[in-house]
Amino acid sequence: KQEVTQIPAALSVPEGENLVLNCSFTDSAIYNLQWFRQDPGKGLTSLLLIQSSQREQTSGRLNASLDKSSGRSTLYIAASQPGDSATYLCAVRAANQFYFGTGTSLTVIP
Amino acid sequence: NAGVTQTPKFQVLKTGQSMTLQCAQDMNHEYMSWYRQDPGMGLRLIHYSVGAGITDQGEVPNGYNVSRSTTEDFPLRLLSAAPSQTSVYFCASKWWNGELFFGEGSRLTVL
Repeated sequence: KQEVTQIPAALSVPEGENLVLNCSFTDSAIYNLQWFRQDPGKGLTSLLLIQSSQREQTSGRLNASLDKSSGRSTLYIAASQPGDSATYLCAVRAANQFYFGTGTSLTVIP
Repeated sequence: NAGVTQTPKFQVLKTGQSMTLQCAQDMNHEYMSWYRQDPGMGLRLIHYSVGAGITDQGEVPNGYNVSRSTTEDFPLRLLSAAPSQTSVYFCASKWWNGELFFGEGSRLTVL
């Protein structure tokens, strides 16, 4: 069974800092990996999708990388802002099932 | 486009009652799915469907029932609610490229 781990569970940084969130998975046979943002009491918002054949994807201040062979992905957030405070989750897709990490709760301090 | 719409947003049930959580999407996605989110456990797949008339079980299907009569709708039925089913439920659909889109969630409390 696929296991997805996100470390750390919580992270607090001062505004303006660049930061990296980590996601690891145990089975490298994945179709893709997706990063989400979840605000308290809300649904999940898709941030970036990386197909298994890709190494990275970028959107604005966000950059996600994928190393399938080592079972790792990172989400890089540049010049963090208080509005970036949220929980960030990663998910891997294997056929018709998706497996989620428990997320990293990010707080950006003004 | 409204995206993925879930109703109700909040529901309180007594043990043994039944109810249906509704999910509708207007993106013509073939794949739809239901998850539950519990503290410290992440999202876990309950059931999914790859098209009208086709459903399959996920990781935690016990106590839940689904059907898919149209592309747009994928309701989740709780046949006899138990306190262990207190959770936040999310419906998601998948685009052709594999990207998942989520609804806003339904918060269920079973007393």
